[in-house]
Amino acid sequence: SQELEQSPQSLIVQEGKNLTINCTSSKTLYGLYWYKQKYGEGLIFLMMLQKGGEEKSHEKITAKLDEKKQQSSLHITASQPSHAGIYLCGAGVINTDKLIFGTGTRLQVFP
Amino acid sequence: EAGVVQSPRYKIIEKKQPVAFWCNPISGHNTLYWYLQNLGQGPELLIRYENEEAVDDSQLPKDRFSAERLKGVDSTLKIQPAELGDSAVYLCASSLYRGTGELFFGEGSRLTVL
Repeated sequence: SQELEQSPQSLIVQEGKNLTINCTSSKTLYGLYWYKQKYGEGLIFLMMLQKGGEEKSHEKITAKLDEKKQQSSLHITASQPSHAGIYLCGAGVINTDKLIFGTGTRLQVFP
Repeated sequence: EAGVVQSPRYKIIEKKQPVAFWCNPISGHNTLYWYLQNLGQGPELLIRYENEEAVDDSQLPKDRFSAERLKGVDSTLKIQPAELGDSAVYLCASSLYRGTGELFFGEGSRLTVL
């Protein structure tokens, strides 16, 4: 079965610093999705990547998809306390409509 | 536009007791999902509905878990009897169409089994 591994598991950064979160799939990726979850709340969709080499940005968050490496990265520029939360990657499983999720990366941003 | 609504937000019960969670998806969303999220883990799919039909329930422990979506709108997830290991957050999500990875999640129902 396909699995998604995220690294690092947790991250503590000072406000204003840049950071990168990685998501690696055990199988070929057919669509990669990034979500954010605040503690005690549901997941919020951030962006979707479908093609190898694709890069998308939303405010100060940029995500890239490397299909050959079966990997995606999420980069936050000049982090703010509002970026704190758990970032989860999700991927579609081939030949199904199923969406699986990684274990998440917990981000803390301190002033 | 109202988001996905779940209730209750929190539930504490003793083991062997029954519990039910309710979800009302975004209006017009035909696909509804129930996910289980353990502490420190990503969500795991329990069941997915297309309208009133359960199209993927392979991960639902059918000996104690049941779900329904009778009119293809709101849905109920039941556990009977609950076990200690069922303590988790139960997330409901909906999407406009099947096969999309853009899901809209509710805030979840946190279950604690004592």
